[in-house]
Amino acid sequence: QKEVEQDPGPLSVPEGAIVSLNCTYSNSAFQYFMWYRQYSRKGPELLMYTYSSGNKEDGRFTAQVDKSSKYISLFIRDSQPSDSATYLCAFQRGGSQGNLIFGKGTKLSVKP
Amino acid sequence: GAVVSQHPSRVICKSGTSVKIECRSLDFQATTMFWYRQFPKQSLMLMATSNEGSKATYEQGVEKDKFLINHASLTLSTLTVTSAHPEDSSFYICSARFPHMDPQGYTFGSGTRLTVV
Repeated sequence: QKEVEQDPGPLSVPEGAIVSLNCTYSNSAFQYFMWYRQYSRKGPELLMYTYSSGNKEDGRFTAQVDKSSKYISLFIRDSQPSDSATYLCAFQRGGSQGNLIFGKGTKLSVKP
Repeated sequence: GAVVSQHPSRVICKSGTSVKIECRSLDFQATTMFWYRQFPKQSLMLMATSNEGSKATYEQGVEKDKFLINHASLTLSTLTVTSAHPEDSSFYICSARFPHMDPQGYTFGSGTRLTVV
């Protein structure tokens, strides 16, 4: 079983749609759950993070974590063409020196 | 937030030559930096972890003699791809670690597109 699984898409939606992006993981030691956005040929930028089960909202974005199911989601409301990017889930292993484990990324395209 | 500068953003080199990529932390000292490689439609794959003043720790399957990492100061880490071959063509990204900013303590460079011809 892979440590992190993420459907690579691509996902194409019309402007204004609600987008749901998901990842599953197998490592119970993961402490932080993150979503990164990566525009083409750029480095990833942190979009949202959380460390507990439940929902966390930031503007049009909602991050959801279900530790019991080892499942995380990112919802984008009122999607905009500027949201077109690759979204990567990421997980932090324990310890201050721990590196991040990334999903494959889901390529999202929001059509005007 | 912290800024990590990565150069060059794009490089084309001939097969057999070496290429150096720089990753510089502009705002804070970074005792740990990570180097990733990303192939098209693939995730970021960790290549090595670089700690200032010590030898880098390479992930399984990554040739340490081919991918030389130097972290000589708290603000600069370099990745040198030696004797590059076309299969080394990829997108290389560095990341600096700032534990005092956790959980937002990972800042990424803008990446380097390496093409070996």
